[in-house]
Amino acid sequence: AQSVTQPDIHITVSEGASLELRCNYSYGATPYLFWYVQSPGQGLQLLLKYFSGDTLVQGIKGFEAEFKRSQSSFNLRKPSVHWSDAAEYFCAVSNDKIIFGKGTRLHILP
Amino acid sequence: NAGVMQNPRHLVRRRGQEARLRCSPMKGHSHVYWYRQLPEEGLKFMVYLQKENIIDESGMPKERFSAEFPKEGPSILRIQQVVRGDSAAYFCASSPPIHRYDTDTQYFGPGTRLTVL
Repeated sequence: AQSVTQPDIHITVSEGASLELRCNYSYGATPYLFWYVQSPGQGLQLLLKYFSGDTLVQGIKGFEAEFKRSQSSFNLRKPSVHWSDAAEYFCAVSNDKIIFGKGTRLHILP
Repeated sequence: NAGVMQNPRHLVRRRGQEARLRCSPMKGHSHVYWYRQLPEEGLKFMVYLQKENIIDESGMPKERFSAEFPKEGPSILRIQQVVRGDSAAYFCASSPPIHRYDTDTQYFGPGTRLTVL
């Protein structure tokens, strides 16, 4: 069965520091992979997606993610976070429907 | 180009009442999905609909919950005889038709936050 694991429930980084949010998936074939961001009280906004091709995917707001088949991972990165990046981040895998991880809540220290 | 619209944004019901949540997909989108998000949880798939058809309802509770996507008008998620455990955020998403390159990408609405007193 498909599943998505986000091992970190909360992460705190200082503004300007680099960020990596971890995501591991379980799926038989090459999945479609997504990262979404949810600000408090808001819906989900798509940051980036991987379907095929280049394993390093660029998204909006300066985010990128790298698909590593050997590690079944799709970690999200940003070189320098801004206070406005504080939100909850969801990794997801899709076949005919999307399976979401439980999310990682990102806190930014000034 | 309006995104996915959901209303109401907040809904308060007493136990035993009915809740109706509406979702209008993005223009040109023919697939609608409903998800539920409980506090401190990720989103859980409930149902996938196309116009006048339920394609996958494997995530729907067996009782009290129903969904429709009529030929005209928004998709409706209906919860009868609500209980406190139904309190959650309910999100709708839509995706383009099958021939579009991004058919597997879902675009989410802002959600309806249901509170059952």
